[in-house]
Amino acid sequence: QLQLQESGPGLVKPSETLSLTCTVSGGSISTSSYYWSWIRQPPGKGLEWIGSFYYSGSTYYNPSPKSRVTISVDTSKNQVSLKLSSVTAADTAVYYCARHTRQIDYWGQGTLVTVSS
Amino acid sequence: EIVMTQSPATLSVSPGERATLSCRASQSVSSNLAWYQQKPGQAPRLLIYGASSRATGIPARFSGSGSGTEFTLTISSLQSEDFAVYYCQQYNNWPLTFGGGTMVEIK
Repeated sequence: QLQLQESGPGLVKPSETLSLTCTVSGGSISTSSYYWSWIRQPPGKGLEWIGSFYYSGSTYYNPSPKSRVTISVDTSKNQVSLKLSSVTAADTAVYYCARHTRQIDYWGQGTLVTVSS
Repeated sequence: EIVMTQSPATLSVSPGERATLSCRASQSVSSNLAWYQQKPGQAPRLLIYGASSRATGIPARFSGSGSGTEFTLTISSLQSEDFAVYYCQQYNNWPLTFGGGTMVEIK
């Protein structure tokens, strides 16, 4: 059974860089045809796709935070990483790691990141 | 960017009744639409993909329909565990976009 587990600091200061890691177990992130994505949800609000890494190496980003986002993978550790720079309070959210081909079929449990001084 | 609009924002339904949720896309997404259920403190769960195909393990009381720009999620007879927030999502174009959600609450 595929499992995704997000990890990283729960508190980040404004203007700093948010860094999260998603560790995948029960399957390889190198498996063909899968996207590995980050999605976030501000408290009490809806879902926002941040970006995706395709197994071939292509990346896709939401135009909104695009210039601040980097998604990468470490195949040796079976991990997917998210870096979001110059954060503000508006970046406070639960961040989910997810896997999909087209529809999103596997989600991590999510991790809350609060941006505050 | 394709904007997904869900209605109503909140739906009050009695257990055993039918619930009908709507999702509209700002341009055609063909049948590249999914529905997710989210309960408090949990990650979303895939219910429907391809607009009308149930995901593995999803009860038959959940059904999806539509194509192009208009989509519907129907829950034929609401059970206590179905009270949750439901999101639609298009995967026809980048960026992937979600609707704002419909909260199904107990009447």
